[in-house]
Amino acid sequence: AQKITQTQPGMFVQEKEAVTLDCTYDTSDPSYGLFWYKQPSSGEMIFLIYQGSYDQQNATEGRYSLNFQKARKSANLVISASQLGDSAMYFCAMSRLNAGNMLTFGGGTRLMVKP
Amino acid sequence: GAVVSQHPSRVICKSGTSVKIECRSLDFQATTMFWYRQFPKQSLMLMATSNEGSKATYEQGVEKDKFLINHASLTLSTLTVTSAHPEDSSFYICSATTTGTRSKNEQFFGPGTRLTVL
Repeated sequence: AQKITQTQPGMFVQEKEAVTLDCTYDTSDPSYGLFWYKQPSSGEMIFLIYQGSYDQQNATEGRYSLNFQKARKSANLVISASQLGDSAMYFCAMSRLNAGNMLTFGGGTRLMVKP
Repeated sequence: GAVVSQHPSRVICKSGTSVKIECRSLDFQATTMFWYRQFPKQSLMLMATSNEGSKATYEQGVEKDKFLINHASLTLSTLTVTSAHPEDSSFYICSATTTGTRSKNEQFFGPGTRLTVL
């Protein structure tokens, strides 16, 4: 069975600073995908970044980067130059690529950006 | 591209009634659709997985007879909450996935439906 753990229920960051949101995972599948989603108060799930288990390089998407450490089974999200609009819930998720891309979500981290 | 819509966005109903929620992929054909439930301040919990033309696969603990899922076409899946009770009040989110290099195995999420049962 897959498991995703986000150990930070809430975090504060000063505007314009960088922040790292932790995510560790556990799986016996050799092939999997790791995702980060942002969920603002409106409830919509916004895709941020994706890392495949066989990808050699860490994924980056604009201000978002994923620090993928396969041996440690961690997939931390780094947000650079935080903005007030980054305040939201952030979910780490893992997909089972041999099961129709079924997603398992972590418990989430609430990020609050201070002006 | 890759837009998923949900209707309605909000619904309030009386206890004992049934509510249908629609999930549509607007610009792609969804090979698989997923239904999630999210209680306040909690994470998304997968309820069921549906493939077009076949019966949905429900997660452990999800009542099949209470949460009816129909995936009639490659662009439409419906979730019907039958005989709704206040404990069914929640945020229901659907997502859709498709094969192909564009997807990166990604699920595309609908905007969610907030159900309140009085």
